[in-house]
Amino acid sequence: DAKTTQPPSMDCAEGRAANLPCNHSTISGNEYVYWYRQIHSQGPQYIIHGLKNNETNEMASLIITEDRKSSTLILPHATLRDTAVYYCIVRVTLINSGGSNYKLTFGKGTLLTVNP
Amino acid sequence: DSGVTQTPKHLITATGQRVTLRCSPRSGDLSVYWYQQSLDQGLQFLIQYYNGEERAKGNILERFSAQQFPDLHSELNLSSLELGDSALYFCASSVDRGDSFVGGEQYFGPGTRLTVT
Repeated sequence: DAKTTQPPSMDCAEGRAANLPCNHSTISGNEYVYWYRQIHSQGPQYIIHGLKNNETNEMASLIITEDRKSSTLILPHATLRDTAVYYCIVRVTLINSGGSNYKLTFGKGTLLTVNP
Repeated sequence: DSGVTQTPKHLITATGQRVTLRCSPRSGDLSVYWYQQSLDQGLQFLIQYYNGEERAKGNILERFSAQQFPDLHSELNLSSLELGDSALYFCASSVDRGDSFVGGEQYFGPGTRLTVT
């Protein structure tokens, strides 16, 4: 029940910017977009999240379109260690008897391969 | 290093057996989440605990159970193991209780690789 669509794979040259797209056309007005990555068999790593404004941290930048139906994660200077599966996630509401609770739903993500 | 620890790193056991996986969250985090990652199913949310109480359930089988102790560490118990239970099991922690629009940052441990033979 993932609500996002990502390309299955992308390549990027080392030192260049990696731009990873994500479509989330059914996102509701108060849902955040989260990005995680998973380097082979390691635990997923939180990267960044945003609502409607562009966000930047030490790892990446997140650009969200004005209509919020898509976003792009930007790794400004990709290195070989950035090779990983990148997940774009919109938190999914999970209704429990005590009220609403959210869970992260990981789809298949994008395998980014950074080449030397 | 996320600050989340999991033990053991690897576990090999036979069908029908029972195992316990352990997780210690980051200092200060009250929520613990368990996920299962198998080759064909991807990363699946199993269950969440917040400050000792169950908060949310995902695709957790009845043969599996979890608990969170007063010191906030958590254990995932898997019983009557089947070959299909072979997977990576990740624990994650967060400050968030999980019921607000923000707070989706979770910090994952290195995982436990379970092999059922």
